[in-house]
Amino acid sequence: EVQVVESGGGLVQPGGSLRLSCAASGLSVSPYDMNWIRQAPGKGLEWVSYISDSSSSIYYADSVRGRFTISRDNAKNSLYLQMDNLKDEDTAVYYCAITGYWGQGAQVTVSS
Amino acid sequence: DIQMTQSPSSLSASVGDRVTITCRASQGIRNDVGWYQQKPGKAPKRLIFSASSLHSGVPSRFSGSGSGTEFTLTISSLQPEDFATYYCLQANSFPYTFGQGTKLEIK
Repeated sequence: EVQVVESGGGLVQPGGSLRLSCAASGLSVSPYDMNWIRQAPGKGLEWVSYISDSSSSIYYADSVRGRFTISRDNAKNSLYLQMDNLKDEDTAVYYCAITGYWGQGAQVTVSS
Repeated sequence: DIQMTQSPSSLSASVGDRVTITCRASQGIRNDVGWYQQKPGKAPKRLIFSASSLHSGVPSRFSGSGSGTEFTLTISSLQPEDFATYYCLQANSFPYTFGQGTKLEIK
């Protein structure tokens, strides 16, 4: 059974940083592109970032470019999202998605 | 950016009904569309990828069709567990974009 588990969420002040991790079990992430998607309270889904299988291609939403950094470690079967200079509008549940499998989400709350 | 216009935004239906949800893309995106189901407080689950391919384990009452700019998700016979919010996603070009969602409620 494929399982995807995010971790690293929490409460942070505006301007602060958090690092989200995503660990997969039941499949090897090596061949797959991976994405982060978020959902603000009561809102729809918003794509955040993409990384290709070899990390050679990386893309970001305009809303996070320059502040967020996506990375992966295929040896650890993991995906990461470094989030710096966080803003109130970054408050959301962050989901990791790997070839159609999603984790349960990590809550990020940015508030003073 | 490619806009995905999803309709209707909400829908009331009964168990056993056949329902269709539509997404229109602002430009041609081949068949690079997925459909997702989300229940309250839960993570989204992929139902369909590449416009018409069923994700592993998804019941066959779900089907997808379309190419280019118009895409549909059809549930052939609604079951009680199908009442949820549904989203389309275009994965043709960056930034990836979702439709606004369709909330499917019990009539």
